[in-house]
Amino acid sequence: NAGVTQTPKFQVLKTGQSMTLQCAQDMNHEYMSWYRQDPGMGLRLIHYSVGAGITDQGEVPNGYNVSRSTTEDFPLRLLSAAPSQTSVYFCASMSNWGASGLFFGEGSRLTVL
Amino acid sequence: EDQVTQSPEALRLQEGESSSLNCSYTVSGLRGLFWYRQDPGKGPEFLFTLYSAGEEKEKERLKATLTKKESFLHITAPKPEDSATYLCAVLSRGNTGTASKLTFGTGTRLQVTL
Repeated sequence: NAGVTQTPKFQVLKTGQSMTLQCAQDMNHEYMSWYRQDPGMGLRLIHYSVGAGITDQGEVPNGYNVSRSTTEDFPLRLLSAAPSQTSVYFCASMSNWGASGLFFGEGSRLTVL
Repeated sequence: EDQVTQSPEALRLQEGESSSLNCSYTVSGLRGLFWYRQDPGKGPEFLFTLYSAGEEKEKERLKATLTKKESFLHITAPKPEDSATYLCAVLSRGNTGTASKLTFGTGTRLQVTL
């Protein structure tokens, strides 16, 4: 099993550009989420989803959109990139019961110039 | 608003020198507390889930405990390969009414030297 797969691993954008970070999981997990990790700030929740068609905002949702059309995929869209969105982004999934915790992808390092 | 505070921010130990990491939390409707290990450039790796006060879990040199307000990660006789950032997170009811929100602390950076 691949687990949680994120693409791309690295990306450089110019201010104002848009892009989508892809996330796919093959564990049939209902719960999926996106976090950003910045030095000294820890992991902060951007958006999460408890199943196909259901999404909710986390701690830092501004500037990001998500959708969940299938159980497997949970893409994160940056509408108009800003330097403040330079960060490492992690996608994670778990079963709704959560006993095994979150399974994380390897991360996507985004730089906005 | 759910809050998770970890201390210390950084800890340097000599090999074999046991210690504890702290995770204090304020959350409405705790559904679980998680510990993760994160190596540089990698995603966090799951270690333990704790559900109720008094519960303990062990794995090799690590032991996690839980009270109503905090959790401890005890490291016994650590080795250099235990060097990593250790993250604590709490699972609580989300806006949709299900257990769907996980809030992380900022982590403790552990360095174990020879």
